[in-house]
Order: sequence, then C-alpha cells, then structure tokens
Amino acid sequence: DQQVKQNSPSLSVQEGRISILNCDYTNSMFDYFLWYKKYPAEGPTFLISISSIKDKNEDGRFTVFLNKSAKHLSLHIVPSQPGDSAVYFCAASVDTNYKLTFGKGTLLTVNP
Amino acid sequence: EPEVTQTPSHQVTQMGQEVILRCVPISNHLYFYWYRQILGQKVEFLVSFYNNEISEKSEIFDDQFSVERPDGSNFTLKIRSTKLEDSAMYFCASRGQGLGYGYTFGSGTRLTVV
Repeated sequence: DQQVKQNSPSLSVQEGRISILNCDYTNSMFDYFLWYKKYPAEGPTFLISISSIKDKNEDGRFTVFLNKSAKHLSLHIVPSQPGDSAVYFCAASVDTNYKLTFGKGTLLTVNP
Repeated sequence: EPEVTQTPSHQVTQMGQEVILRCVPISNHLYFYWYRQILGQKVEFLVSFYNNEISEKSEIFDDQFSVERPDGSNFTLKIRSTKLEDSAMYFCASRGQGLGYGYTFGSGTRLTVV
C-alpha cells in the first residue's frame, strides 16, 4: 500500500545548484503535504508544508510545488548546500485526522 | 527550541519480554503520536493520542501495544510481549493545533529484539 511514493531513492547534486525532490501520491483524499529532513540517528525534522488549496509555498531556500491534477509534489532547494545532505521524506495527511503517511525517502547528497 | 525527548536511545530486549519506550512531548502540545521505521522501510504510523485517549491506531497497533500518558509530561509506548519483527526505530511526536508547522519528532528509540 504505497499511497505516497518517492521513486528516486537517491539524488546527488553539486553545491550551489538546485535540488529537486519528487513525490507522487495516489489517495485523492490527501489535502495536506509536508516535507521532512532526516539525519542519521535523529528524528525527522519538519521543513515545509503545503495545503491542497495552494500550488506553491516558499520558505527561504525551500519551495514546495503541488500539482493536484497530477497528484505530484516537489521540493526545490536553491542553492543546495553540503549541510542539506540528508534523507528527505514526503508525507501526506487527510485534514480530519492529521495522521501522516510517509514516502520511503530520498537520500540527497550535496557535493562541495 | 522546544524538543521531544525520547528515552532510551537504544533498547535491546529478549523476545517475549515487555518493553516501555518513553517520551516527553513538547509541553504545550496536545496531540501525541508514535511512529516506527523498520530498517530500510518507510516511517509508519502506529497510534495517535489526544485528550487522554487513543484517537486512531493502525493495523500494526494490535493488542500487544498500548500507550499511556501517566502524568502531565510523559507519553509511553508499551509492547507487552516483543517479537523479532518489532525491531525498529520508534519515533514519538507531538504537535500543537493544525498541521502548518508539522509534527515535532523525537530522536527515536532503536529497539532490537533478540
């Protein structure tokens, strides 16, 4: 039951360039989407979220785009920094219960 | 910045033993959660807790699992009789109202059942 899919297990980019992490979902009831970052031996850290009534949300270097018709969202990190190297999880929720359904994660490596 | 604190960071237990994983959520948060991540797999929802009762639980959260908020600060997950397949990283999380700021997760407890 993969309601939230992150099809790229890993991504490698050069410092200063853009990182684009992708996420697809199948459950049309999802109406809130979140991105988390996780370092080894730590819990997931909230990065940015977007409600289904929006198609873009920006916070500093991080921007999330939502395409509801394609059931697709993406996280853009510009410019990428070596400290951004981590596993990034996409998560989705139905507004009424706020239970998070996670994707499997994408390991981002930003090379100096 | 407020934190969710989990103890212990690593617990090794024998199959069939009871374990209690402890969490101290952020003090003004009202909603509490347990998630787990089996090695190499995705983070999975176990249970949510609000107003001193379970608000939702997954099919993983069977009769072997229970949660409790014994006082105003701690939130515990008990596994009554551990199985090998319970080996995982267990994350506690809490949140305030809404989802705009996401959950705050603890650093996790790595449970190893031998």
